[in-house]
Amino acid sequence: GENVEQHPSTLSVQEGDSAVIKCTYSDSASNYFPWYKQELGKGPQLIIDIRSNVGEKKDQRIAVTLNKTAKHFSLHITETQPEDSAVYFCAASQGNFNKFYFGSGTKLNVKP
Amino acid sequence: ETGVTQTPRHLVMGMTNKKSLKCEQHLGHNAMYWYKQSAKKPLELMFVYSLEERVENNSVPSRFSPECPNSSHLFLHLHTLQPEDSALYLCASSHGLVSSGDEQFFGPGTRLTVL
Repeated sequence: GENVEQHPSTLSVQEGDSAVIKCTYSDSASNYFPWYKQELGKGPQLIIDIRSNVGEKKDQRIAVTLNKTAKHFSLHITETQPEDSAVYFCAASQGNFNKFYFGSGTKLNVKP
Repeated sequence: ETGVTQTPRHLVMGMTNKKSLKCEQHLGHNAMYWYKQSAKKPLELMFVYSLEERVENNSVPSRFSPECPNSSHLFLHLHTLQPEDSALYLCASSHGLVSSGDEQFFGPGTRLTVL
């Protein structure tokens, strides 16, 4: 089955700096890669996703890049703000609901 | 608010107890999911329901029993649990199955502690 690894497990940045979280996957059949943000006491919320026919996608301060050859994808947050502090999860899917694999999460702390 | 509510938010139970977790979605979605979230581990998909029919059971022990009486409600019945079952249990819903690219909306979860 698919194996999704996420790094780092914790990340601390100063407000205004950029943050990068990386994930690798093992199954070349995976073609959908969402990113979720989970704030304390809440469930995960989709923040951005990318499909395998696209190399990069951007939404305001958030961007995701995908390298299919190397089987890795990354989340980039620019101009970080304290409200970006949360746990971020990556996931990989082959398009089937029962083949949806999550990374172990990155706890991002943005210091004011 | 994501439109998915879960009750209770916290639950402490003994290994011999029977309890149920409830999930309700107000989004008109057709698919609902149960996930288990343990500390520093990836989310684990437990069960998937589509149009009130179970379409996936990811090798979950029989001490966990799901029920989907209608497309808006999903239950997880618990009995004779083990301490290692302590975790955050998340419910999610989507318009169609995630395979169609529909976004999953998660509830806030039930924090379960088994003594």
